[in-house]
Amino acid sequence: EVQLVESGGGLVQPGGSLRLSCAASGFTFSVTWMHWVRQEPGKGLVWVSFITGDETLTNYADFAKGRFTISRDNAKNTVYLQMNSLRAEDTGVYYCATDKEWLPDSWGRGTLVTVSS
Amino acid sequence: DIQMTQSPSSLSASVGDRVTITCRASQANRNYLGWYQHKPGKAPKRLIYAASRLQSGVPSRFSGGGSGTEFTLTISSLQPEDFATYYCIQHDNYVWTFGQGTKVENK
Repeated sequence: EVQLVESGGGLVQPGGSLRLSCAASGFTFSVTWMHWVRQEPGKGLVWVSFITGDETLTNYADFAKGRFTISRDNAKNTVYLQMNSLRAEDTGVYYCATDKEWLPDSWGRGTLVTVSS
Repeated sequence: DIQMTQSPSSLSASVGDRVTITCRASQANRNYLGWYQHKPGKAPKRLIYAASRLQSGVPSRFSGGGSGTEFTLTISSLQPEDFATYYCIQHDNYVWTFGQGTKVENK
């Protein structure tokens, strides 16, 4: 059974940094593309970033380019999202998800990020 | 980047009703189109992928259709557990875009 557990969320001041982690199990992690998706309070789902299994390709939503970095450690079955220069509008629940057939497939339950002074 | 316009933003329906949600893409999509169900506090759940393929374990009352720029999710007979928010998503050139969501409420 696929399991994805996000961690690393919390309260951070504007301009600060956080690193989110997503621990994966139940599938062959090293060959699986991974996504980060967020949901701002009271709003819809927004795609943030993806990474291929071998890390050769990544991409980001426009709001994340230059501030967020996705990476992975296939030895630890973990994908990360390093978030710098955080803004109030980055507040939300961040989900990691596997990719299957070019779309997010299995999802974690998310970790809450709050950017506030 | 392709933009997705989902409608309606909300709807009220009763158990047993047929419900249809639409997503329109700003340009033709190669059917890399999916539909998800999301309930508060839970992980989103994929229902449909490749525009019309039913995810394993998802009830057959859910179906997806369409191609090109217009796609639909249909629930043939709404069940109590189906009250939730539904999202479409498309992929094009390593950019993924969600629709704005449709909240299905109990009439």
